[in-house]
Amino acid sequence: DTAVSQTPKYLVTQMGNDKSIKCEQNLGHDTMYWYKQDSKKFLKIMFSYNNKELIINETVPNRFSPKSPDKAHLNLHINSLELGDSAVYFCASSQAPPTGYRGYTFGSGTRLTVV
Amino acid sequence: AQSVTQPDIHITVSEGASLELRCNYSYGATPYLFWYVQSPGQGLQLLLKYFSGDTLVQGIKGFEAEFKRSQSSFNLRKPSVHWSDAAEYFCAVGRNDYKLSFGAGTTVTVRA
Repeated sequence: DTAVSQTPKYLVTQMGNDKSIKCEQNLGHDTMYWYKQDSKKFLKIMFSYNNKELIINETVPNRFSPKSPDKAHLNLHINSLELGDSAVYFCASSQAPPTGYRGYTFGSGTRLTVV
Repeated sequence: AQSVTQPDIHITVSEGASLELRCNYSYGATPYLFWYVQSPGQGLQLLLKYFSGDTLVQGIKGFEAEFKRSQSSFNLRKPSVHWSDAAEYFCAVGRNDYKLSFGAGTTVTVRA
């Protein structure tokens, strides 16, 4: 069983479209995250949810909206996609830090390409 | 603010030779330290982590890392690299909040 699964794995779309990426974890964690890896492979956190509550919202355009329907799911919706949104998006989950760092687990990533 | 520095952007090493990747961090307290590896087109795989205790940490795939508080460093080492170790390596630091801060990564190329 995949611990943190993301769908889709690849996403190619045109500028201006709206798209969603889904993430699910079966580890029983109560905290989930979205990270973005840009073209230079730099990884940066975007959002974090703990028990469905948004606790980290880094400087991200408001075209990006995370939604957590329950503790096991964290989706990322992106409106009006731009070329610069092309990146790999990673979902992760953990228990609450600091103890949660022991089980910090990443998904396999979603490669978004905006054309 | 905390930061993570990986001074080496790209390292080329011969198969069978030793490898050392450097990582320095800035943070007032003892952080939680991680090394991840990312093979081309793949996700992030945890190699090892340090939270407390013995400052020499053993990880998977024959990697080890040493935490040196006086130097604010957490360098990764492998005694003998294999061609399959060619990948991107990331050092990461966690505090008592909910986010990991990553270094810019080091690309490792292994030549035959």
